[in-house]
Amino acid sequence: QKEVEQNSGPLSVPEGAIASLNCTYSDRVSQSFFWYRQYSGKSPELIMSIYSNGDKEDGRFTAQLNKASQYVSLLIRDSQPSDSATYLCAVNSYTDKLIFGTGTRLQVFP
Amino acid sequence: ETGVTQTPRHLVMGMTNKKSLKCEQHLGHNAMYWYKQSAKKPLELMFVYNFKEQTENNSVPSRFSPECPNSSHLFLHLHTLQPEDSALYLCASSPLGSSGRNEQFFGPGTRLTVL
Repeated sequence: QKEVEQNSGPLSVPEGAIASLNCTYSDRVSQSFFWYRQYSGKSPELIMSIYSNGDKEDGRFTAQLNKASQYVSLLIRDSQPSDSATYLCAVNSYTDKLIFGTGTRLQVFP
Repeated sequence: ETGVTQTPRHLVMGMTNKKSLKCEQHLGHNAMYWYKQSAKKPLELMFVYNFKEQTENNSVPSRFSPECPNSSHLFLHLHTLQPEDSALYLCASSPLGSSGRNEQFFGPGTRLTVL
């Protein structure tokens, strides 16, 4: 069974700190990796995609991928209370399906 | 309209009713998906359509019946549902291509309550 694993949290960080969200996956042939943000009662919103090893930065967000370790992470710099949400990791392996993790709930307190 | 739209946004139905959920994507994508999200559970993939052809039916009960008349529209027909089917139903679309980069974009969802 191909799996994507995340710590369910909640991960609590103070405003202005760096939030670090982690995800591991089991399928070694995985090629595409995504982070979604989901506010309570809302649908998932794609915030980052990464396809090759290393870091990818977009504003306050940095995605990091290490295929050898089968590990992908999301760093949120200067965390804001508005970043409080559930963050879903998703992985794709040359199919038309994404495998989603269960999500990590992030709480940013003032 | 932009992105992925879903109607209705909220639906309350009895177990003997028949209703349909509608999804429309305005992104020029060729793949569309139905997901179910229950409280405190992960996203469950239900159906996948790629170029209007169903490529995945994830052991979904027959009381859920999908229809994809073209690459922009997707329906989920509901009949004789059970209370445990109450959930957020999400539609998504993706460009899909030979690169395998399957970025999926979600609609706002339909909050379904079965009485």
